[in-house]
Amino acid sequence: GAVVSQHPSRVICKSGTSVKIECRSLDFQATTMFWYRQFPKQSLMLMATSNEGSKATYEQGVEKDKFLINHASLTLSTLTVTSAHPEDSSFYICSATLNPRTGYRGNEQYFGPGTRLTVT
Amino acid sequence: DAKTTQPPSMDCAEGRAANLPCNHSTISGNEYVYWYRQIHSQGPQYIIHGLKNNETNEMASLIITEDRKSSTLILPHATLRDTAVYYCIVSLGSGNTPLVFGKGTRLSVIA
Repeated sequence: GAVVSQHPSRVICKSGTSVKIECRSLDFQATTMFWYRQFPKQSLMLMATSNEGSKATYEQGVEKDKFLINHASLTLSTLTVTSAHPEDSSFYICSATLNPRTGYRGNEQYFGPGTRLTVT
Repeated sequence: DAKTTQPPSMDCAEGRAANLPCNHSTISGNEYVYWYRQIHSQGPQYIIHGLKNNETNEMASLIITEDRKSSTLILPHATLRDTAVYYCIVSLGSGNTPLVFGKGTRLSVIA
């Protein structure tokens, strides 16, 4: 399957600082990428939809000024957690959809390995 | 909210087939059934998807009932490495449609 990478895989930061997480589609172009977060023992929760060249669409309850998303190219989306607080500590995961192929039934989404953020 | 219902947990003996059920009684005609799994502390891994016909790939088989209200993921010969949380998701499958995750089924493969 297609490969999506994330960097860093793990980050620890102090409260009040900002952290940038990168999501890259390595062998395909992705017009749309998605950002999720996952708290311990819970399922993935969608945070936002990131579209190349336009503003991201945020889910209800997700602060767009706190979680800045930039999708500057067809292979890279970034999530910046600004003024991080301990409650932002979570597992952040991105995904990208393999662009539709002619006659292809349904699209497969591929997920990155995740970034574990710990805010102290 | 997730449109699927799955049992919270299942056990399977190593080497046996693992059959994971999923109910999606409100699925619409143009929605696909997707299966993903998540091994601890990793991103979800795509397994298989289908619309109405049964599907098979190198990882698993997907059996969808004729009324499409339920499906079963079959791992033919489960190994210890198949221990994971398995998510059944219904989605339009378009490029800009996110996947909505439910709680999934925690499959434990036992030696």
